[in-house]
Formats: sequence, C-alpha cells, structure tokens
Amino acid sequence: EIVLTQSPGTLSLSPGERATLSCRASQSVNNNYLAWYQQKPGQAPRLLIYGASNRPTGIPDRFSGSGSGTDFTLTISGLEPEDFAVYCCHQYGSPPWTFGQGTKVEIK
Amino acid sequence: QVQLQESGPGLVKPSQTLSLTCTVSGASISSGGYYWSWVRQHPGKGLEWIGSIYYSGSAYYNPSLKSRVTISVDTSKNQFSLKLSSVTAADTAVYYCAKKVGGGAFDYWGQGTLVTVSS
Repeated sequence: EIVLTQSPGTLSLSPGERATLSCRASQSVNNNYLAWYQQKPGQAPRLLIYGASNRPTGIPDRFSGSGSGTDFTLTISGLEPEDFAVYCCHQYGSPPWTFGQGTKVEIK
Repeated sequence: QVQLQESGPGLVKPSQTLSLTCTVSGASISSGGYYWSWVRQHPGKGLEWIGSIYYSGSAYYNPSLKSRVTISVDTSKNQFSLKLSSVTAADTAVYYCAKKVGGGAFDYWGQGTLVTVSS
C-alpha cells in the first residue's frame, strides 16, 4: 500500500498569499496518477487536480499541481477567502487507492 | 450534472451489518467506463477507500476491509450498495459514495452520511 504523507499539517496564510502544499509518496505513483481534493467542513471532497497537473473543467487556474514519482505539490497562486479549507492528495495508480491525511489552510 | 445520494440507517449496533445505498442521477451506471465507489472518513481523520464496483458486477475491495465488505450494483434502479458486516465502534465514520473514472480519480461525490456504531 502506498502511504501518502502531506506537509505541513497546517498552513497559516493571509488572503492573496501563495500556498504551497506537499504530498510525498512512500513509493513511486504509477503514471503520476495523483489527485488533489479540497474539503470544507460538512462537505464532500471536491476534485481540484488529477494526473498530477490537470484541472477539471470549472476549477480556477489559481490552482496548479506539479511533480512526479514520489513528490507532488499543489500551489494556490493567490488565496481567495473561499480557499481556506483542508486539502488532501490521493493516489490512484496502485490499488488500494490511498489518501493523504490532509493539510489545513487557515486564515492567519 | 451527475449527482449521488447516500441513504441508510445512521445508527447501527455493534456486531451488526451496516447497509447503505447510493442512488445515481445524471449518469447511467450501466453505461460503463466508471467505477462506483465507497469511501469513508473517520471523525477528524483522512479518507479511506472501501471498494469499487463496475456495472458488470466486478468489485474491488480494500484488503484491510475485504473480509467484511460486499458492494453490489442494481442497474435497473441506477443504484449501488455497501454492506459492512460485524461492525464495531471503529467503523463509525462519514460514508461517501463516489464516481471514479476508469483509470482516473473520484470526480463526483455524494454529500456523505454519518453512520454511528453504538448500542
């Protein structure tokens, strides 16, 4: 099973600042099948990035993903008020599909 | 627009079987190409994939739960279901149903339903 470790656990930033979130896999993620989700309290996860760097239709371009192999990054180029939430990574390259424990982006 | 909605009891007694159903609208389960899935989230914790099923009935389970999980599909009702047997307090969680593109990520999710295991 691939273990995903996210850092930092909490990121305290102000609106307009850039957020950089890390996800490290215990082994290489096949085909860079790595996704990022945003989750707000009481809501279901929302897919932001798939295939390490692809945005689904409707996701703002301030969200970008990069990385390959075992190291992946989600960048939010300028935080909007609605971006303060928990972000988790997910690998779907090797079953069992697994998720990271999440990074909370909070208002400083 | 694809929508998924979980339904089932919110309280289950220890040692009993947890049963949930997910009703899909805006997409046909029998059209193929997607894996219909269950994911859970323990209170304050990360997400855990439980298992997925294809319209044909082929199911894939997380090895950590495989001995207790059954996922089935009813294409006539456009629903799929989860049964988790011999539950304990450790199975208390929010249970989500989700649609997974073949070879892809989970792109649509239900709103989630909290299931509490308690006597």
